[in-house]
Amino acid sequence: AQSVAQPEDQVNVAEGNPLTVKCTYSVSGNPYLFWYVQYPNRGLQFLLKYITGDNLVKGSYGFEAEFNKSQTSFHLKKPSALVSDSALYFCAVRERSGYSTLTFGKGTMLLVSP
Amino acid sequence: ETGVTQSPTHLIKTRGQQVTLRCSSQSGHNTVSWYQQALGQGPQFIFQYYREEENGRGNFPPRFSGLQFPNYSSELNVNALELDDSALYLCASSLDTDSNQPQHFGDGTRLSIL
Repeated sequence: AQSVAQPEDQVNVAEGNPLTVKCTYSVSGNPYLFWYVQYPNRGLQFLLKYITGDNLVKGSYGFEAEFNKSQTSFHLKKPSALVSDSALYFCAVRERSGYSTLTFGKGTMLLVSP
Repeated sequence: ETGVTQSPTHLIKTRGQQVTLRCSSQSGHNTVSWYQQALGQGPQFIFQYYREEENGRGNFPPRFSGLQFPNYSSELNVNALELDDSALYLCASSLDTDSNQPQHFGDGTRLSIL
């Protein structure tokens, strides 16, 4: 069975500083990996995905994520945080082969202080 | 391009009642998935519909059922409501069932069971 772990319930960072939101995954085959963001009272908004190729994936709003197969990780990063980045972030995984569901982590709240 | 829309936005029911939630998929998308997001948790996969047929189901009892219509809009029906069914119900559409396609989410229906 596939699973996602987001070890931090909350990440606090000052505006202008770099941010990292951690994600590790477990899947029997090779994964497709996704990051979504959720603002209050809204649905999930797609940020970026890893399919194949370059381990550093660039996405929306200046976010990027680094795929590390040996550590089964897919950490979300941004070089300079904005107060408007404050939101709930979800990592998700899906197996490549055959039919599989999208499995989400429990989410990490990112708080960026001015 | 019209995004995913869900109705109603909020709903209050009592135990034992039945509820129907509705979703209009993003233009051009033929696959719809439904998720349950309990407070403080990540979304949990309920089921997926592709071209009016259910083609995947998560760990939810049969009282959770669905439909997809020829225009790819969808309904989620829940019978015999229980207190634990209180959650945000999210609909997501995608271009097809390909695992590497990102899903596009609506803003959800907040269901409260009294």
